[in-house]
Amino acid sequence: TQLLEQSPQFLSIQEGENLTVYCNSSSVFSSLQWYRQEPGEGPVLLVTVVTGGEVKKLKRLTFQFGDARKDSSLHITAAQPGDTGLYLCAGVPGGNNRKLIWGLGTSLAVNP
Amino acid sequence: TAGITQAPTSQILAAGRSMTLRCTQDMRHNAMYWYRQDLGLGLRLIHYSNTAGTTGKGEVPDGYSVSRANTDDFPLTLASAVPSQTSVYFCASSVSSTTDTQYFGPGTRLTVL
Repeated sequence: TQLLEQSPQFLSIQEGENLTVYCNSSSVFSSLQWYRQEPGEGPVLLVTVVTGGEVKKLKRLTFQFGDARKDSSLHITAAQPGDTGLYLCAGVPGGNNRKLIWGLGTSLAVNP
Repeated sequence: TAGITQAPTSQILAAGRSMTLRCTQDMRHNAMYWYRQDLGLGLRLIHYSNTAGTTGKGEVPDGYSVSRANTDDFPLTLASAVPSQTSVYFCASSVSSTTDTQYFGPGTRLTVL
């Protein structure tokens, strides 16, 4: 069974700080997605990374896919209260099984 | 564009009663999904449908049934609710079963007493 482990599980920081959250697996994924979920809402896609070593930037958010496509990281620079939410990674297995494998998420609180 | 709508927003249900959670999308997506989200367990797939007229079992299908009579609607039915089905339920869709990005509805918070 393919698993995605996210760390840390919880993170509470002050506005302006930097942070990195991780999404790790022992399995290879054909691609990996990052979602953000705000309280009372469904997850919303932030980015998809496909190529090993790929780096994508979304304003203050930097996403990286590991060279071996087994892990990914999300780095937030100068966090803002609006970044507060649950960050979920989801991997697409290789082969014919296209059902997403979800991590449990990192709950981020950015305090003013 | 509304995207995905779910109804009701929340519900309190007596154990043993039946209930149907409604999900409608207006994006003409072929694939649809039902998840439940529980603290410490994350998002778990209940049932899915790759296209209208077909359905499949996910990770936690027991106690739930679905139908997909048309492209837009994907209702989830609990035939006889139990307290362990207390959860937040999310409906999602994607362009196709091989297209990975999923679009989620706002969720239904269900409490079974």
